[in-house]
Amino acid sequence: EVQLVESGGGLVQPGRSMKLSCAASGFTFNNYDMAWVCQAPKKGLEWVATISYDGSSTYYRDSVKGRFTISRDNAKSTLYLQMDSLRSEDTATYYCARSKDYGYNYFDYWGQGVMVTVSS
Amino acid sequence: NIVLTQSPASLAVILGQKATISCTASESVNKFGINLMHWYQQKPGQLPKILIYNEFSRAPGIPARFSGDEAELNFTLTIEPVEADDVATYYCQQGLTFPYTFGAGTKLELK
Repeated sequence: EVQLVESGGGLVQPGRSMKLSCAASGFTFNNYDMAWVCQAPKKGLEWVATISYDGSSTYYRDSVKGRFTISRDNAKSTLYLQMDSLRSEDTATYYCARSKDYGYNYFDYWGQGVMVTVSS
Repeated sequence: NIVLTQSPASLAVILGQKATISCTASESVNKFGINLMHWYQQKPGQLPKILIYNEFSRAPGIPARFSGDEAELNFTLTIEPVEADDVATYYCQQGLTFPYTFGAGTKLELK
């Protein structure tokens, strides 16, 4: 059974940093691109970042470029999101998601999500 | 960026009737003859779940009541007949180019 379990969320002050983790199991982690998708309170879904299966390529939405870094440790089957210079508008639930292969680029499995609140 | 315009924002449907949700893309999402348009369902308090991928293919375990279609950049998710368990917000998403984008969502309620 595929499982994605996020951790690391919580309350953080504006301008500070936070690192999210996503532990994957039930599939061959290093065969899949992985992504972070966020959802602000009472709002819709927004794609945040994607990393290729081998970590060689990363992609970000414009609003987080230069502030967020997606990475992975295939030996540990773990995905990360390092979030720096956090802003109030980054407040959201962050989901770890597996990106379907074959170039279809949809998210076939999602974690339960972790809440990040940026507030002083 | 590819903009996805979803409508309506909310929809109230009688049990057993048909629900139709539209998602219009600002440009083609076609790659090698496949429309990389996908639909998700998010029930209240739950995580999103893939329903339809590549315009019309149902994800594993999704009943035939859910179907996808396309006509000139206008993608449609149809639910017929609507059941009580279908109360949720539905999102379209394009997987052609970065940044991947979602529609704003359509909230389905029962009338």
